[in-house]
Amino acid sequence: EVQLVESGGGLVQPGSSLKLSCVASGFTFSSYNMHWIRQAPKKGLEWIALIYYDSSNKYYADSVKGRFTISRDNSKNTLYLEMNSLRSEDTAMYYCALIPTGYWGQGVMVTVSS
Amino acid sequence: DIQVTQSPSSLLASLGERVTITCQTSQSISNNLNWYQQKPGQAPMLLIYYATSLQTGMPSRFSGQYSGRSFTLTITSLEPEDIANYFCLQHYSAPNTFGAGTKLELK
Repeated sequence: EVQLVESGGGLVQPGSSLKLSCVASGFTFSSYNMHWIRQAPKKGLEWIALIYYDSSNKYYADSVKGRFTISRDNSKNTLYLEMNSLRSEDTAMYYCALIPTGYWGQGVMVTVSS
Repeated sequence: DIQVTQSPSSLLASLGERVTITCQTSQSISNNLNWYQQKPGQAPMLLIYYATSLQTGMPSRFSGQYSGRSFTLTITSLEPEDIANYFCLQHYSAPNTFGAGTKLELK
């Protein structure tokens, strides 16, 4: 059974940093591109980052480019999202996802507030 | 970047009614579009992948079609459990982009 389990969220102050993790199981993690997607409260879904299976390519939404870094450790079946210079508008539920399949994590909440 | 325009943003429909939601992309993406259903407090669930393929376990009243840059999600006969938000996602090229969503409510 495919599972994606995010962790690392929480309440942080503006300007601070946070690193999310997503542990994958039930499939060959090292063979698949992985995504981060977020959803601000009461808002729509926003795709924010993609990393290729071998980390050879990374792509970001303009809203996070230069502040967020996606990475992975295939030996640990883990996807990461390092978030720096956090802003109030980064407050959202963050999901890791295997697209175009239907496998998403349950999400982890990040709240940026003073 | 590929823009995705989803319409309508909200929709009132009656039980048993046929419902159609549309996404239009700014460039050709072949069939690289998914449809998701999201209920309050839950993660999105995949309904349709590659524009026309019904995800395993999803009811057959859901279907997807496309022609050129226009993609449609159809519910042939609305059931109470279909009341939710619906989103499309183009995964043809990065940055991937979601439609703004459609809030489906009961009339």
